[in-house]
Amino acid sequence: EVQLVQSGAEVKKPGATVKISCKVSGHTFTDYYMHWVQQDPGIGLEWVGLIDPEDGETMYADKFQGRVTITADTSTKTAYMELSSLRSEDTAVYYCATSQNLSGAFDFWGQGTMVTVSS
Amino acid sequence: DIQMTQSPSSLSASVGDRVTITCRASQSIGSYLNWYQQRPGKAPKLLIYTASSLQSGVPSRFSGSGSGTDFTLTISSLQPEDLATYYCQQSYSTPRDFGGGAKVEI
Repeated sequence: EVQLVQSGAEVKKPGATVKISCKVSGHTFTDYYMHWVQQDPGIGLEWVGLIDPEDGETMYADKFQGRVTITADTSTKTAYMELSSLRSEDTAVYYCATSQNLSGAFDFWGQGTMVTVSS
Repeated sequence: DIQMTQSPSSLSASVGDRVTITCRASQSIGSYLNWYQQRPGKAPKLLIYTASSLQSGVPSRFSGSGSGTDFTLTISSLQPEDLATYYCQQSYSTPRDFGGGAKVEI
């Protein structure tokens, strides 16, 4: 059974950096792209970016470019999303999700990590 | 970016009803259209990929159709557990834009 288990909720001050993890079990880590998705409370879903764990290549949405870094540790089958210069608008639930190829659907999802940015 | 527009944004229906949700892309995306179900407090779940392929384990009352710019998700006989918000998403290009969601109430 494929499982994506994310790290716990975070509370950060404006200007700080948050790093969320997503540990994969049940499939070959390097065979799937890993995506990150933001969900503002009560609002919709927004794609943040992706990583190909096999070679570390990343792609980011323009909205987050320059503030987000996605990495993958193949030894621990864990992906990370780091978001810097946090502001109140970054308060959201962040999900990791996998796709089997670059244009594939997101077939498995983590449980979500709530990030709260507040002074 | 490709704009994904869903309608309606919310609907109320009864158990056993046929429910249809539409999704329109701002440019042609072929069949690179996926549908997700998000129940309250849960992560999204893949229902349909490449416009009409049913994800393993998803009940057959869910179906998808369309290509190009216009797509439809149909629930043939609404069940109480279908209370959720449904999102379309294009996987034709980055960013992987989602529609605004369609909340189904029973």
